[in-house]
Amino acid sequence: SQTIHQWPATLVQPVGSPLSLECTVEGTSNPNLYWYRQAAGRGLQLLFYSVGIGQISSEVPQNLSASRPQDRQFILSSKKLLLSDSGFYLCAWSVSGVLETQYFGPGTRLLVL
Amino acid sequence: SQQGEEDPQALSIQEGENATMNCSYKTSINNLQWYRQNSGRGLVHLILIRSNEREKHSGRLRVTLDTSKKSSSLLITASRAADTASYFCATSGTYKYIFGTGTRLKVLA
Repeated sequence: SQTIHQWPATLVQPVGSPLSLECTVEGTSNPNLYWYRQAAGRGLQLLFYSVGIGQISSEVPQNLSASRPQDRQFILSSKKLLLSDSGFYLCAWSVSGVLETQYFGPGTRLLVL
Repeated sequence: SQQGEEDPQALSIQEGENATMNCSYKTSINNLQWYRQNSGRGLVHLILIRSNEREKHSGRLRVTLDTSKKSSSLLITASRAADTASYFCATSGTYKYIFGTGTRLKVLA
């Protein structure tokens, strides 16, 4: 069966510090991968998606970047965090092709102080 | 901007009552999905309905889809306190999903 891992679960970082959030998927190959951000009590904002190794599509110009160094690894990064980067970050995957069910990781709560 | 808009934004009901949530979308779709999110957790897929389907059931869940009105509804029957969560609809394009704004459901014991 497929599983998705995301870490860390919680992170408190000072403004201006770097960020690296990691997401890995097991039990499937060539998945579509996604990073979302969710503000408290709000919907999901798609940040990045990837349909293959090294292929990253950015949805929102911002202080963040994403990379996919391996088929089932998706990394969200920032060189210098802003206060506005605080939020709940969710990684997800889906089978490539016609998009149907999307599977989410447990999320990372990021607080930038 | 979010394609899906859900209403109500929040819903509070007594245990045992039915809960209905609605979702509207703007473009043509292949399918529409409903997800549940418990506080502080990731989303969990509940049910998917394809564009050629009008109604689908899964346990206490009933989903309807009206492509002419570009809308869907999720009905949870005989609600339980454990159903307290946020519920999101989502539609999918070629590579990405578009989520609605969500309905926060609170079921009172």
